[in-house]
Amino acid sequence: RKEVEQDPGPFNVPEGATVAFNCTYSNSASQSFFWYRQDCRKEPKLLMSVYSSGNEDGRFTAQLNRASQYISLLIRDSKLSDSATYLCVVIRNTGGFKTIFGAGTRLFVKA
Amino acid sequence: GAGVSQSPSNKVTEKGKDVELRCDPISGHTALYWYRQSLGQGLEFLIYFQGNSAPDKSGLPSDRFSAERTGGSVSTLTIQRTQQEDSAVYLCASSSYSGVTGELFFGEGSRLTVL
Repeated sequence: RKEVEQDPGPFNVPEGATVAFNCTYSNSASQSFFWYRQDCRKEPKLLMSVYSSGNEDGRFTAQLNRASQYISLLIRDSKLSDSATYLCVVIRNTGGFKTIFGAGTRLFVKA
Repeated sequence: GAGVSQSPSNKVTEKGKDVELRCDPISGHTALYWYRQSLGQGLEFLIYFQGNSAPDKSGLPSDRFSAERTGGSVSTLTIQRTQQEDSAVYLCASSSYSGVTGELFFGEGSRLTVL
């Protein structure tokens, strides 16, 4: 079992739709959580951090449930430009920091 | 520049040849990662350097792969006797792990094609 698991995707949604991605992590030493975005043939870039209280950045809402070891990303009013791969990322501290990436969920937003 | 720099951006080589890929991380970043990404696939962790600690080599796929980081800065990934299955984009990332952020900053990658 992978340490960080994500919905396999791909998700194909029309413009304007709301879409949610889920992610689970298995190591209880995980302490920081993020969503990264990777456009086709580009490098991954940080989208947003994820906090237990939940956080929102425009159309994007991220949520963390430490008890269930579960992270989510909600995208409202999808745009064509949201088409990308979304990577769930955790940092664990087991005698030192290490960043672990999920395999990613591909999103296609269509007109 | 201020970002992570990788070279070469593209490398075409013949099967059996050795290649070296270079990564120049953001100044002051103590953590450096190498990943591999084949077309349409996710990131495959290769190796991780953190400060003066022994590197985490658990992701290296075979003994043909090695990496070093000199002076806690520039890193070189070496692939010996390249095979066609080594064709991929090799991504380097660095982080300072300062505060809570721990953001990883990626270079644009080195695209390797083995003929």
